[in-house]
Amino acid sequence: AQSVTQPDIHITVSEGASLELRCNYSYGATPYLFWYVQSPGQGLQLLLKYFSGDTLVQGIKGFEAEFKRSQSSFNLRKPSVHWSDAAEYFCAVGAFNFGNEKLTFGTGTRLTIIP
Amino acid sequence: GAVVSQHPSRVICKSGTSVKIECRSLDFQATTMFWYRQFPKQSLMLMATSNEGSKATYEQGVEKDKFLINHASLTLSTLTVTSAHPEDSSFYICSAPPVASDPEQYFGPGTRLTVT
Repeated sequence: AQSVTQPDIHITVSEGASLELRCNYSYGATPYLFWYVQSPGQGLQLLLKYFSGDTLVQGIKGFEAEFKRSQSSFNLRKPSVHWSDAAEYFCAVGAFNFGNEKLTFGTGTRLTIIP
Repeated sequence: GAVVSQHPSRVICKSGTSVKIECRSLDFQATTMFWYRQFPKQSLMLMATSNEGSKATYEQGVEKDKFLINHASLTLSTLTVTSAHPEDSSFYICSAPPVASDPEQYFGPGTRLTVT
């Protein structure tokens, strides 16, 4: 069964500083990997995804993530955070399983931005 | 881009009553939709997979008779919480893949259910 681990429950960074959110997955084959962001009381917005090809993927809002098969990781990065980036971030892994394409989510990382 | 809507965004109901939550795909057809539950400061837990034209598939531990799912059309799935109790209070989110048989999903804005 697939699983996702986000080891950092809460991260605090200063505005303008760089950011890296960690994500490790467990899956038997090549996974489909996603990063979603959730603002309080809102649904989830897709930041970026990895299916295949270039292991460094670019997303919206200046985020990027790198798939490292050897480390089973898909860490999210941003070179300079903005106060509006404060939110909850979820890493997810999906399986292409004809008619049963479930997503498994990590526990999330709450990002706080200090002015 | 693909848009998923939910209605209502917030609902308060009395214990023992039933409440229906709608999930719609606005600009694409969805043969499959997913229903998640999220407790405060926690992750999303998949409750069930809603399948158009057939019965929903429930995750282990989810009561089928309590959380009724109906996928009435290719753009609408409903979740009915029957005989609601305060412990059913939660944030319910639906999602749908914009491309059939694709693991990428677009999420609705969620419904906050409070049972008093």
